[in-house]
Amino acid sequence: NAGVTQTPKFRVLKTGQSMTLLCAQDMNHEYMYWYRQDPGMGLRLIHYSVGEGTTAKGEVPDGYNVSRLKKQNFLLGLESAAPSQTSVYFCASSYITAGRADTQYFGPGTRLTVL
Amino acid sequence: TQLLEQSPQFLSIQEGENLTVYCNSSSVFSSLQWYRQEPGEGPVLLVTVVTGGEVKKLKRLTFQFGDARKDSSLHITAAQPGDTGLYLCAGVQSHGSGNTGKLIFGQGTTLQVKP
Repeated sequence: NAGVTQTPKFRVLKTGQSMTLLCAQDMNHEYMYWYRQDPGMGLRLIHYSVGEGTTAKGEVPDGYNVSRLKKQNFLLGLESAAPSQTSVYFCASSYITAGRADTQYFGPGTRLTVL
Repeated sequence: TQLLEQSPQFLSIQEGENLTVYCNSSSVFSSLQWYRQEPGEGPVLLVTVVTGGEVKKLKRLTFQFGDARKDSSLHITAAQPGDTGLYLCAGVQSHGSGNTGKLIFGQGTTLQVKP
């Protein structure tokens, strides 16, 4: 099992360019999440999905869009990149058991720089 | 909005010393998780505490959940260089109409253990 994989690992964009980050998991998890990590701010939830075909906003959704067309994939899109979106992006997935939180399994991250 | 304040943000100690990391909130969480993250990798779950007052031990690491489920601590006994990393606490948001597994992360504690 590969677990959670993210593509690409590194990317440099110019302001205004667009890109898509791909997250794939092979653990048959229902729930998937996109976070961004900035120094001194921990991880902040951008968007999440509770199943194929569903998405919802997290804490910092502005400037991002997501899609979950297949259960194993969760895509994060930046339509018009801004320097404030320079960050490390992590994808995670988990089972959900009623009434409790299950382990979130994280990918290795994508380091994005917007010039 | 539920917030988690983690302290200290940075800790540099000598091998063999003890340390405690704190995670505090004014909000109640249904459970709380501790993750460890190494450079260039995603966070990895160490433990989940669920019941107020609960104490869990993982070798030299002791985790405690406050009686009121608003705070938690991580204590490391006789720290080793291999303990070096970023430690993150994450609160599981109180459940509303469903369990989304959404996490609120603290800012993180960067621990350096010198040989």
